[in-house]
Amino acid sequence: SYELTQPPSMSVSPGQTANIICSGDELTKKYVSWYQQRPGQSPVLVIYQNTKRPSGIPERYSGSNSGNTATLTISGTQPVDEADYYCQAWDSTSVIFGGGTKLTVL
Amino acid sequence: EVLLVESGGGLVQPGGSLRLSCAAFGFRFNTYEMNWVRQIPGKGLEWLSYIDSSGRISYQADSVKGRFTISRDNARNLVFLQMDSLRVEDTALYYCARGSSFYIGDFWGQGTLLTVSS
Repeated sequence: SYELTQPPSMSVSPGQTANIICSGDELTKKYVSWYQQRPGQSPVLVIYQNTKRPSGIPERYSGSNSGNTATLTISGTQPVDEADYYCQAWDSTSVIFGGGTKLTVL
Repeated sequence: EVLLVESGGGLVQPGGSLRLSCAAFGFRFNTYEMNWVRQIPGKGLEWLSYIDSSGRISYQADSVKGRFTISRDNARNLVFLQMDSLRVEDTALYYCARGSSFYIGDFWGQGTLLTVSS
């Protein structure tokens, strides 16, 4: 079965750029979405179709997908960006989530 | 305002059944796909089931295939998850989410907690 792999955690200093990666076999052939989940809250869609931002998501969030890796980039990271981030893709008739990356801003 | 409200969670014994409901507000429900996703506290997201806008097409994760069934009532703006043969490992927070062809959730409910225990 298809798998999406994310690093369990990463840290970034405020104002710096965070690049959260998601790896999967020939991932570039799939559309990737990214979800942010703050503690105790429901997930929020921050990127879909690899690069698109839903209404209300700050411009500092961007995405890319090439080869076997999709990347969520947060530019000028703020303390409010501290959260768990999950990548997601469809594989035939199944939805696959990555294991999630806990982003710490310190 | 788009709002999804899940209900129906609770405590059930192993082997039991339960039906979760998700009420949708603030959008044309019969034009959107819907999904159920669960999360064990402290763990990651697990997709469970998808249903198209008409209710004619549905998919389930292998982990729940044959035990969980998704359905919807477009007249009442409701989506359901019928869960049978429940196991201790089904204990989780269950979310419904509004989907499309490109994502499984641009809006999510607050979740309803299911505990399976004897």
